[in-house]
Amino acid sequence: EVQLVESGGGLVQPGGSLRLSCAASGFTFSYYWMTWVRQTPGKGLEWVANIKQDGSEKYYVDSVKGRFTVSRDNAKDLLFLQMNSLRAEDTAVYYCARIIHYYEGLDYWGLGTLVTVSS
Amino acid sequence: QSGLTQPPSASGTPGQRVTISCAGGSSNIGSNYVFWYQQVPGTAPKLLIDKNSQRLSGVPDRFSGSKSGTSASLAISGLRSEDEAAYYCATWDDSLTGLIFGGGTKLTVL
Repeated sequence: EVQLVESGGGLVQPGGSLRLSCAASGFTFSYYWMTWVRQTPGKGLEWVANIKQDGSEKYYVDSVKGRFTVSRDNAKDLLFLQMNSLRAEDTAVYYCARIIHYYEGLDYWGLGTLVTVSS
Repeated sequence: QSGLTQPPSASGTPGQRVTISCAGGSSNIGSNYVFWYQQVPGTAPKLLIDKNSQRLSGVPDRFSGSKSGTSASLAISGLRSEDEAAYYCATWDDSLTGLIFGGGTKLTVL
């Protein structure tokens, strides 16, 4: 059974940092592009970042470029999102998800981890 | 980076057919597949439709997707109370090399 489990969320002050992790199981992690998507409480979904199977290509939404870094450890089936210089508007539930094939849909999602940026 | 345009709400009575629209542009819907997600409050989104019209395994055939030009739609026939949820369209945007989502449509079954 495919499972994605996020961790690392919490309360952080503006300007602070957090590192989110996503533990994958039930599939060959290294075969898939992976992505982070966030959802502001009570609002819609926003794509954050993608990473290729071998980590050689990474793409970000403009609002996080230069502040967030996506990475992966294929030996440990882990996906990461390093978030620096956090702002109030980064407050959201962060989901990791598997991309079926690049430019196709996201077929498995984790349960999400809540990041709250507030003083 | 603007998203796709969906109506904020839709409603229907049990057994009815409802359609949710999704409008985009040439760099996104016009040149890429459209996907539809269902999200029940408190849970993660669930992929219903891939590649414009392909239902994922286990998705009832009451759900159907279509795309024409720079727009897409999700139709739900034989509406049931358990269909009450938020529905999001999504696609890839060539200028972003990333995904864009619609604002979501909250479906109410009256």
